Amino acid sequence: ELKVEQNPLFLSMQEGKNYTIYCNYSTTSDRLYWYRQDPGKSLESLFVLLSNGAVKQEGRLMASLDTKARLSTLHITAAVHDLSATYFCAVDGGSARQLTFGSGTQLTVLP
Amino acid sequence: DSGVTQTPKHLITATGQRVTLRCSPRSGDLSVYWYQQSLDQGLQFLIHYYNGEERAKGNILERFSAQQFPDLHSELNLSSLELGDSALYFCASSLSWGRATEAFFGQGTRLTVV
Repeated sequence: ELKVEQNPLFLSMQEGKNYTIYCNYSTTSDRLYWYRQDPGKSLESLFVLLSNGAVKQEGRLMASLDTKARLSTLHITAAVHDLSATYFCAVDGGSARQLTFGSGTQLTVLP
Repeated sequence: DSGVTQTPKHLITATGQRVTLRCSPRSGDLSVYWYQQSLDQGLQFLIHYYNGEERAKGNILERFSAQQFPDLHSELNLSSLELGDSALYFCASSLSWGRATEAFFGQGTRLTVV
């Protein structure tokens, strides 16, 4: 059974600081997704990582994938308040390529 | 806007009742996935349909069922509702099945069972 673990679960950081969210998964997969969710809202796709060594950047967020270590990271650079949200990683697998989600990291950026 | 439409957005109902949640996938997408998001269980896969046929089941209770119609919209039926069924229910659609294609999520239906 595919398991996806994220840490930390909660993250409070000061504006302007850098931090990294980690996502480990238990079995081989060739796609990893990062989503953002604002309270009560839908899941917004941030990144789709397709292969070992993939790195994608959008604004202050950068995601990477190491398939050998079964690890993805989401790095936040010079955080701003607008980044406050819950971030999920998800790995696809199973017969229907359904997504298995991590528990989410609730990020709060403090002024 | 992802192009996936879910109705209703909010639903409040009593224990023991039955409700139907509706999902219209993006134009051209043949796959529909249903997920449940609750505080204690997180985001969990429920069931997948492709072009009208059920393809995979996840942690879906026997009280729950789904179908996908010829026009590709899908409905999730929840019956004999319990307080613990209160959650946000998402559907997602993707182009195909069996090959990894990105899934796009609807806005969700928030179900509250009282």
